[in-house]
Amino acid sequence: NAGVTQTPKFQVLKTGQSMTLQCAQDMNHNSMYWYRQDPGMGLRLIYYSASEGTTDKGEVPNGYNVSRLNKREFSLRLESAAPSQTSVYFCASGEDRGNYNEQFFGPGTRLTVL
Amino acid sequence: AQSVTQLDSQVPVFEEAPVELRCNYSSSVSVYLFWYVQYPNQGLQLLLKYLSGSTLVKGINGFEAEFNKSQTSFHLRKPSVHISDTAEYFCAVSSSGYSTLTFGKGTMLLVSP
Repeated sequence: NAGVTQTPKFQVLKTGQSMTLQCAQDMNHNSMYWYRQDPGMGLRLIYYSASEGTTDKGEVPNGYNVSRLNKREFSLRLESAAPSQTSVYFCASGEDRGNYNEQFFGPGTRLTVL
Repeated sequence: AQSVTQLDSQVPVFEEAPVELRCNYSSSVSVYLFWYVQYPNQGLQLLLKYLSGSTLVKGINGFEAEFNKSQTSFHLRKPSVHISDTAEYFCAVSSSGYSTLTFGKGTMLLVSP
């Protein structure tokens, strides 16, 4: 099992360019998540998908869109990148344990917007 | 609403010394508490979790944490640290019935010889 995989690992964009971050999981989890990590800020939730076909905003959704393509894949799109979106992006999938989800994280994508 | 406060952004310690990383949370409902570790340039991995029952929980790599409901705390401890424990540690909370986690801002543990 590969767990949670993310592509690309690194990306440099110019202001105004668009790109899609890809995430896939092979653990048959229903829920998936996108976070951004900035120094001194911890991880902040951008969007999540509790199940295939549903998506919800997290704490910092502005400037992003998501697509839950199928149960395995959850992509994050930046339509017009801004320097404030320079960050490390983590995808996670969640195993339903009843009253909570146990989340498993991918290795991250380091994005720099110039 | 739920929130997590990690009281120290950095904790320097010498190898083989004990360490405590502090975490306080707030939530209006029953909570589940987690500690994650992030080694340099890697993703997060789960160290330990508190769901219910015994307030002292043991995790991987010799770490343990104690849930204190009256003080709304979930501090992480290790009796003797190694150089390899150098990493960033995140406390997180999930409330009953919610599928999302709220993370603290992280504590960087710096272990020196």
